[in-house]
Amino acid sequence: GAVVSQHPSWVICKSGTSVKIECRSLDFQATTMFWYRQFPKQSLMLMATSNEGSKATYEQGVEKDKFLINHASLTLSTLTVTSAHPEDSSFYICSANSSPDEQFFGPGTRLTVL
Amino acid sequence: GEDVEQSLFLSVREGDSSVINCTYTDSSSTYLYWYKQEPGAGLQLLTYIFSNMDMKQDQRLTVLLNKKDKHLSLRIADTQTGDSAIYFCAERVTGGGNKLTFGTGTQLKVEL
Repeated sequence: GAVVSQHPSWVICKSGTSVKIECRSLDFQATTMFWYRQFPKQSLMLMATSNEGSKATYEQGVEKDKFLINHASLTLSTLTVTSAHPEDSSFYICSANSSPDEQFFGPGTRLTVL
Repeated sequence: GEDVEQSLFLSVREGDSSVINCTYTDSSSTYLYWYKQEPGAGLQLLTYIFSNMDMKQDQRLTVLLNKKDKHLSLRIADTQTGDSAIYFCAERVTGGGNKLTFGTGTQLKVEL
């Protein structure tokens, strides 16, 4: 089946530093990947759509300069949280379509900013 | 606009059936999905249904779709303790690309 991985699974950083999260489709190519954010006991909120070879499409209210997305290849998208602050602490999940019908999710990355 | 609602919590006994409900507002939904999330983990795709279908069955899972009422349900037969998790419904709408809008999530607790 289609597998999506994320790295790291958990990161703790100091306020003001930047953190990069990787999302990889392991056994399929994904022209589009998605980045979600999930607060404790809440649903997933789409942050942006990552398009291979072009700029990401951000949802309303998501700061482009804060959350940098790069989709350099058909199997890799990265999310960089720049100058992270405690309010950026969250669970970040990526997903990718292996076919038009099915969207598979990574295991998530828990970010804690001290 | 897109708005997807679920009840927050459901508790069932092991061996009973569980029914998790979801309502949505966008009538241009193309696909509707059910995902399972265990604590600290990502989402696992359980099943999905195309909007022109009424029902889909996959082993212990049965999905029912009432398009007129914009109501989706997931029935889990013979619920086991391993089914305890949060279940999210999600919809994909026409013209939205492959973007999904998620429901609020239902926490299912299976008791012995």
